[in-house]
Amino acid sequence: DGGITQSPKYLFRKEGQNVTLSCEQNLNHDAMYWYRQDPGQGLRLIYYSQIVNDFQKGDIAEGYSVSREKKESFPLTVTSAQKNPTAFYLCASSEQTPNEQFFGPGTRLTVL
Amino acid sequence: AQSVTQLGSHVSVSEGALVLLRCNYSSSVPPYLFWYVQYPNQGLQLLLKYTSAATLVKGINGFEAEFKKSETSFHLTKPSAHMSDAAEYFCAVRKKGYDMRFGAGTRLTVKP
Repeated sequence: DGGITQSPKYLFRKEGQNVTLSCEQNLNHDAMYWYRQDPGQGLRLIYYSQIVNDFQKGDIAEGYSVSREKKESFPLTVTSAQKNPTAFYLCASSEQTPNEQFFGPGTRLTVL
Repeated sequence: AQSVTQLGSHVSVSEGALVLLRCNYSSSVPPYLFWYVQYPNQGLQLLLKYTSAATLVKGINGFEAEFKKSETSFHLTKPSAHMSDAAEYFCAVRKKGYDMRFGAGTRLTVKP
């Protein structure tokens, strides 16, 4: 089955530690995205990538970093510079044309 | 710039009643519009999309939405609510390119 996988589903980290969230897709989509979701605020774009080895900042990129070394993979690192990292993180992908985005199941990060 | 406004962060209906979730957008160009559904601790699933074809769009699970340019609206409806419709619903707008904007979401509760 084609789709997007995110791992782990739940992640706990101590304050000050960097943490990397995994996102893999086998839909052969060129574009991939990372969103942060907080209660009552909808989804906010962190980073997106249109092609391999290229990515752009979204609305709330500060304290986050990404890489896109393979078409299938778009990992997100939450650094210690992110002031309030506890949130639900969603990865998505889409075809090149401006069509719908397909979402992974999400990772809930809790920083203790 | 364009944005999406969802009127009502929480809507409650009785089982079998009409569901109406409101979405208004602001856009200077013809938009692509989407409705997504999210169940607790899961990713977003596409319900339906408008891409400048028919103004009345039918989606999955009996939902439909009507694009009204004069009102800049794309409200989501379902004639008869089912208990399984309880979830959070997001309206999203996207113009050409990769910038998709999501509303803050509307939580639908279905009472027996």
